[in-house]
Amino acid sequence: GAGVSQTPSNKVTEKGKYVELRCDPISGHTALYWYRQSLGQGPEFLIYFQGTGAADDSGLPNDRFFAVRPEGSVSTLKIQRTERGDSAVYLCASSSQGGVGELFFGEGSRLTVL
Amino acid sequence: SQQGEEDPQALSIQEGENATMNCSYKTSINNLQWYRQNSGRGLVHLILIRSNEREKHSGRLRVTLDTSKKSSSLLITASRAADTASYFCATDGSSNTGKLIFGQGTTLQVKP
Repeated sequence: GAGVSQTPSNKVTEKGKYVELRCDPISGHTALYWYRQSLGQGPEFLIYFQGTGAADDSGLPNDRFFAVRPEGSVSTLKIQRTERGDSAVYLCASSSQGGVGELFFGEGSRLTVL
Repeated sequence: SQQGEEDPQALSIQEGENATMNCSYKTSINNLQWYRQNSGRGLVHLILIRSNEREKHSGRLRVTLDTSKKSSSLLITASRAADTASYFCATDGSSNTGKLIFGQGTTLQVKP
């Protein structure tokens, strides 16, 4: 596809369950970012990949959150033992260089933890 | 953590009027960007201004940057109902990773 694709668009789960959110970046983009956006707030940085490696994971809130990008393209954000406070929209973005420049965002995955 | 603060939090204007949104940030930067987000959608890049630039234009958008005051403004001229959205400023905090720190956003409503 032409843009950043995120699946699922909506996910409802129960407290304590495990969740995976997928991001398919723009083809050829080496940099990939995950953000979390709560209602009425700006996006908060979670993690940044350059290629296959996590270059900056300083935004991950705790060890229940983990992300991978094994082949340097698709990325999966994994949340273990979900809590109600994890409810938010999870946004993925990619860029061609990972340096100065614009980020291209997907539509997001809305996670609701009951 | 949020890097910037935006002002106002909400703005309601009539079609044809100009809309001005302000952003303040805390650390030094390489560049500052503005993004737009329609309700329930992802963010779309509007404009990037580098730290050595003071003003930049793109269509009906005008962005200013004052690094001495650590502030920026976004002006939308001759607004349209379709401009209704949330607008966010984002800074790179002098990093070279492309990682952006976003402000809280300004919600703009343009009434037809």
